[in-house]
Amino acid sequence: SAVISQKPSRDICQRGTSLTIQCQVDSQVTMMFWYRQQPGQSLTLIATANQGSEATYESGFVIDKFPISRPNLTFSTLTVSNMSPEDSSIYLCSVKPSAYPGELFFGEGSRLTVL
Amino acid sequence: GENVEQHPSTLSVQEGDSAVIKCTYSDSASNYFPWYKQELGKRPQLIIDIRSNVGEKKDQRIAVTLNKTAKHFSLHITETQPEDSAVYFCAGGISGSARQLTFGSGTQLTVLP
Repeated sequence: SAVISQKPSRDICQRGTSLTIQCQVDSQVTMMFWYRQQPGQSLTLIATANQGSEATYESGFVIDKFPISRPNLTFSTLTVSNMSPEDSSIYLCSVKPSAYPGELFFGEGSRLTVL
Repeated sequence: GENVEQHPSTLSVQEGDSAVIKCTYSDSASNYFPWYKQELGKRPQLIIDIRSNVGEKKDQRIAVTLNKTAKHFSLHITETQPEDSAVYFCAGGISGSARQLTFGSGTQLTVLP
C-alpha cells in the first residue's frame, strides 16, 4: 500500500484568505488526485494532479479557486483560494499506485473550517 | 460519465445481525467496484473490491456480489459488531484507467449493542 501524509490535518481560516494543503507520498505514483468531502457528504473529485503540467479539473472546479501543483511523482499541493464558509470541508489527497490497479488510497484529510 | 447510486443512506442493525448495502451503476464499461469504510474522523479505507469477471467475493464476514446484467452490486456484512459502525461508500470505475472512480452517496451503518 501507499503511505500518504497530508498537512495541515486541520485549520481554521478567515474568510478571504487562502490555504495550501500539502500531500507527500512514500513512493512514486503516477496518478494523484484531490477530493473534497463536505460535511456528511460523499467524496467529490476536484482534480487530477498531473506531474509537469496543469491539473485536470472536474466540472464545477476551476484553477483560479483551487490551484494545484505537482512538481514530482511523490508530492502535490492544493490551494483553496479566497475562502468562504462554503469551502469548509475535508480535502483529501489520494493516489492510485500502479502496483494496485484501480485501487485508490487516501490521505488522512485536511479539515478546513472557514469563519 | 458514470453515475453510482447507493441505498440506504442510513442503516441500523442489532449486533450479530446482517447488514446489506446496495449500489447501482450506469456505465456498462465499468469493471471495478470497491467498497470503502470511513470511521468518524478517519480516511476512507478499502475493505473489499470486486471486478466484473466474478460474481461474488468473500473476505471473512464481508462479501460483495455483482450483477453485471442489472448493473448492481451489494455489500453484505454478517455477524455485525459495534466496530462495524461507520460510513460505507461504494464506487465504480474502470480498473487501470485514468478515469476516476465515481463514489456513491454513502451509508451510515450503526450496529446497536
